[in-house]
Amino acid sequence: GNSVTQMEGPVTLSEEAFLTINCTYTATGYPSLFWYVQYPGEGLQLLLKATKADDKGSNKGFEATYRKETTSFHLEKGSVQVSDSAVYFCALSEDNYGQNFVFGPGTRLSVLP
Amino acid sequence: NAGVTQTPKFRILKIGQSMTLQCTQDMNHNYMYWYRQDPGMGLKLIYYSVGAGITDKGEVPNGYNVSRSTTEDFPLRLELAAPSQTSVYFCASSYPKGGGPSPLHFGNGTRLTVT
Repeated sequence: GNSVTQMEGPVTLSEEAFLTINCTYTATGYPSLFWYVQYPGEGLQLLLKATKADDKGSNKGFEATYRKETTSFHLEKGSVQVSDSAVYFCALSEDNYGQNFVFGPGTRLSVLP
Repeated sequence: NAGVTQTPKFRILKIGQSMTLQCTQDMNHNYMYWYRQDPGMGLKLIYYSVGAGITDKGEVPNGYNVSRSTTEDFPLRLELAAPSQTSVYFCASSYPKGGGPSPLHFGNGTRLTVT
């Protein structure tokens, strides 16, 4: 079946540092890929998405590129802020239906001032 | 715009008790979902619904029941609570349509402890 693997956390960075959170996937078809973010005490929110190979999703300074050859969708940000402290989830879906979403385990990011 | 609203935010249950987790959405989404989130694990789908009167099991349905009498509401019922049901529960909704993936909209979660 489909699966998503993320780098182990927690990740602790100083403010303005460069962020990379690795995500790789296994899928039988051609999935869409997503990054969701969960701020403390809140539900998950869509951060960015990409629907086909070589697409780049971007939002709030975060970027991720759909790499079919390496089955990866790594999340990057050039300069993190304390307000970016959250849990980040990589996910995939092979169709438009939520029951077929597969989520990674999440990576907790802490940004120190 | 409230989005997806879950109640309660926290609850402690004794083993064998029952309770209902409430979820309502005001976006007129036809699809609704219940997930549980355990530490170090991704979200696991418990039940989902594609519209009023239609529900189906997800990956981990045992010990839970759902109903969908209206588009807005999708309550999750726990019967005979067990420690293994200690988790954070998220309700979500979406409006699948052609032309691309439809994102999930999540509530803020219910943290349930069974002791």
